Amino acid sequence: GAGVSQSPSNKVTEKGKDVELRCDPISGHTALYWYRQSLGQGLEFLIYFQGNSAPDKSGLPSDRFSAERTGGSVSTLTIQRTQQEDSAVYLCASREQANSPLHFGNGTRLTVT
Amino acid sequence: AQSVTQPDIHITVSEGASLELRCNYSYGATPYLFWYVQSPGQGLQLLLKYFSGDTLVQGIKGFEAEFKRSQSSFNLRKPSVHWSDAAEYFCAVVASGGYQKVTFGTGTKLQVIP
Repeated sequence: GAGVSQSPSNKVTEKGKDVELRCDPISGHTALYWYRQSLGQGLEFLIYFQGNSAPDKSGLPSDRFSAERTGGSVSTLTIQRTQQEDSAVYLCASREQANSPLHFGNGTRLTVT
Repeated sequence: AQSVTQPDIHITVSEGASLELRCNYSYGATPYLFWYVQSPGQGLQLLLKYFSGDTLVQGIKGFEAEFKRSQSSFNLRKPSVHWSDAAEYFCAVVASGGYQKVTFGTGTKLQVIP
């Protein structure tokens, strides 16, 4: 079946502009995660959604970052007033249930010039 | 809060040699544990997972990992490394029993030399 889909695959934006990154999880997966991977770095947790529960936003680095998940499916990560340090690969992952592994999308490479 | 430590940032092994990548976790109970691999320019692929039961788990591509509760470790092993195993490896932990945040280690980059 279809995997986790992320769009766009690449995004170049000017400093100060807003960007939206989209994630379409695997159908039926109730949990959705966003991570950030900077060059040569590990995976930095940003936010996760589980069903209708309030999202865990503990990893969002600043109030310029926000995310929503509509209808328990598609999620959008928004970065306002982008800065150069926001340049990274943004990874989305979903999983079916508590003892399931994460399934990752191919990521969106964001470059802020 | 749970955490994961991968003490080796970079490891170099010769093709055909054995491999062990270290992973230590911090969590009050038995967590769920995972190893993922990220090949250059690729997404993350699950190698293996541990939930309960047999502490030695087998994964894809000839990898295995052993859960040692007493050492809070979940080290990844392969008896004979192939050049195609050159990649970055991530250990991850999540609290068992419910939906929780999945925490990743900082990764170990594996270089394989001929």
